[in-house]
Amino acid sequence: EAAVTQSPRNKVAVTGGKVTLSCNQTNNHNNMYWYRQDTGHGLRLIHYSYGAGSTEKGDIPDGYKASRPSQENFSLILELATPSQTSVYFCASGDSGLGGFEQYFGPGTRLTVL
Amino acid sequence: GQQVQQSPASLVLQEGENAELQCNFSSTATRLQWFYQHPGGRLVSLFYNPSGTKHTGRLTSTTVTNERRSSLHISSSQTTDSGTYFCAIERSSNTNKVVFGTGTRLQVLP
Repeated sequence: EAAVTQSPRNKVAVTGGKVTLSCNQTNNHNNMYWYRQDTGHGLRLIHYSYGAGSTEKGDIPDGYKASRPSQENFSLILELATPSQTSVYFCASGDSGLGGFEQYFGPGTRLTVL
Repeated sequence: GQQVQQSPASLVLQEGENAELQCNFSSTATRLQWFYQHPGGRLVSLFYNPSGTKHTGRLTSTTVTNERRSSLHISSSQTTDSGTYFCAIERSSNTNKVVFGTGTRLQVLP
């Protein structure tokens, strides 16, 4: 089965601090995604990537950067964390084609910014 | 932009009852998928169903693209079906940008 892992699983950060969320996939998928999930909003796309070296802005990219150094790894970076970024973050990998755009999700990272 | 509306927002069933979850979207979608989120948070894909009807086990998904709607039917519900169900639409063709609905939270009581 497809495997997507995230680290850390839980993180408490201080306002103004730098936070890096990491994601690793062993599926050899080209596409990777970062979402955040908040009550009442479902999942919202922050950044995504088509492959190593590429990053694209999603729907809510402000305050976030992304890095895709390799096929397997995709990081989400909060340079100056704010309390409004307290959320659960999900990473996903997938490929799209005629068969659809099935995505495989990691277990999530719960981030609290104090 | 693409909007995805799901109804009902929440649903409580007795075990054995059937459930019908609805998804409506604001423009013609080329790709639609249903996801299930476990109570513990894990998200899994259920169906890729851009049009027509698909079955797997007790689940049936029907998408009518020109009417901009999709449904997920759960028959003979079980307590293990409890969780949140999301539909998601690819924002525009071949962009891989996906927009999710806000979900239907299902609770199945024993």
